[in-house]
Amino acid sequence: SAVISQKPSRDICQRGTSLTIQCQVDSQVTMMFWYRQQPGQSLTLIATANQGSEATYESGFVIDKFPISRPNLTFSTLTVSNMSPEDSSIYLCSARGGYEQYFGPGTRLTVT
Amino acid sequence: QKEVEQNSGPLSVPEGAIASLNCTYSDRVSQSFFWYRQYSGKSPELIMSIYSNGDKEDGRFTAQLNKASQYVSLLIRDSQPSDSATYLCAVTYGNEKLTFGTGTRLTIIP
Repeated sequence: SAVISQKPSRDICQRGTSLTIQCQVDSQVTMMFWYRQQPGQSLTLIATANQGSEATYESGFVIDKFPISRPNLTFSTLTVSNMSPEDSSIYLCSARGGYEQYFGPGTRLTVT
Repeated sequence: QKEVEQNSGPLSVPEGAIASLNCTYSDRVSQSFFWYRQYSGKSPELIMSIYSNGDKEDGRFTAQLNKASQYVSLLIRDSQPSDSATYLCAVTYGNEKLTFGTGTRLTIIP
């Protein structure tokens, strides 16, 4: 199994600013993902972070708002840009090695 | 569009009884099936994976897969209050992204 860490664990940000979330995996993995989860809701996939190339975004999510980097096989960042209160959510990093997929502890973001 | 359906619950089960969680999926080519447990305020934790028809047991947990009927279930024997959580079913094919159900909220009553 993969152990995933995220920084920060939580943050309170002002409207119009940006926050970068870091995700570190303890082993090389084939695929990394970023999800968002609103309270009481299921997981929504934002994008697949591709190593060495642009991320693959899901419908409703764009690179200008959620730029993603993945410089190597164990690390990725997600930036939430020009934040609004609607961006308040839990952001989860996820990684797949083989068939199984694991989740980081999440970053709880509050935008005021 | 691929869909994974779960009864949202809440499902209430007495302590010590068997909790049965069910999940159906729409894509016949799906080949990997997972159950995640999510405690309130925590991230999803992978508890079971199953890839072939039949049963797979791990401690008090048994996953059951029936590809012909397109359903996968999770049985929790000797349910404990610590099993109270939301259980997410997830399905995928090859290297495609996981498709998640909306989750079933399980409450174990002492």
